[in-house]
Amino acid sequence: TQLLEQSPQFLSIQEGENLTVYCNSSSVFSSLQWYRQEPGEGPVLLVTVVTGGEVKKLKRLTFQFGDARKDSSLHITAAQPGDTGLYLCAGDLRKTSYDKVIFGPGTSLSVIP
Amino acid sequence: GAVVSQHPSRVICKSGTSVKIECRSLDFQATTMFWYRQFPKQSLMLMATSNEGSKATYEQGVEKDKFLINHASLTLSTLTVTSAHPEDSSFYICSARTVGLNTIYFGEGSWLTVV
Repeated sequence: TQLLEQSPQFLSIQEGENLTVYCNSSSVFSSLQWYRQEPGEGPVLLVTVVTGGEVKKLKRLTFQFGDARKDSSLHITAAQPGDTGLYLCAGDLRKTSYDKVIFGPGTSLSVIP
Repeated sequence: GAVVSQHPSRVICKSGTSVKIECRSLDFQATTMFWYRQFPKQSLMLMATSNEGSKATYEQGVEKDKFLINHASLTLSTLTVTSAHPEDSSFYICSARTVGLNTIYFGEGSWLTVV
């Protein structure tokens, strides 16, 4: 059974603080995506990481893919209230016998003004 | 960017009836589409992987006779919830993988309420 774990599951911080969300698995992924989801809407893609050790930056967000492609982190610098939302990591598993994208349980972030 | 359209966005049906949700890739071909279910304040749970022209692959615990998936073309997959019950009420989301690429695009989701 392929599983993705995320930590923390809930995070409430003050505006301006930094935070890191972790995504871990025992499975090796072809790629890993990070999404942000607002209530009642579909997930919005933030980034896709493909290469082990890869680091991508998106304004105040920094994403890193582990060397073994089993884990990833999302770091937000100087969080703003607009960053509030559910952050989901999703691992892309593609083998000859199956093809699936599984999600972690999510990290619910609340940034307090 | 690539767009995935899901329809209907909201549907209410009576218990015992069937309801169909469509997932279309509007400007790209999708050999693989995924169907997810999401309960309030929870993550997306993969129900099945749908490949064009072949039978869907269902995740463990998902009843394939209850959740019928058809992927008849490279741009359309449908999920039919048969003999719906109130416990089937949920947010259903599809996604599509672009051919040859790693990116997966999501539909807007469909709220199903069974009364």
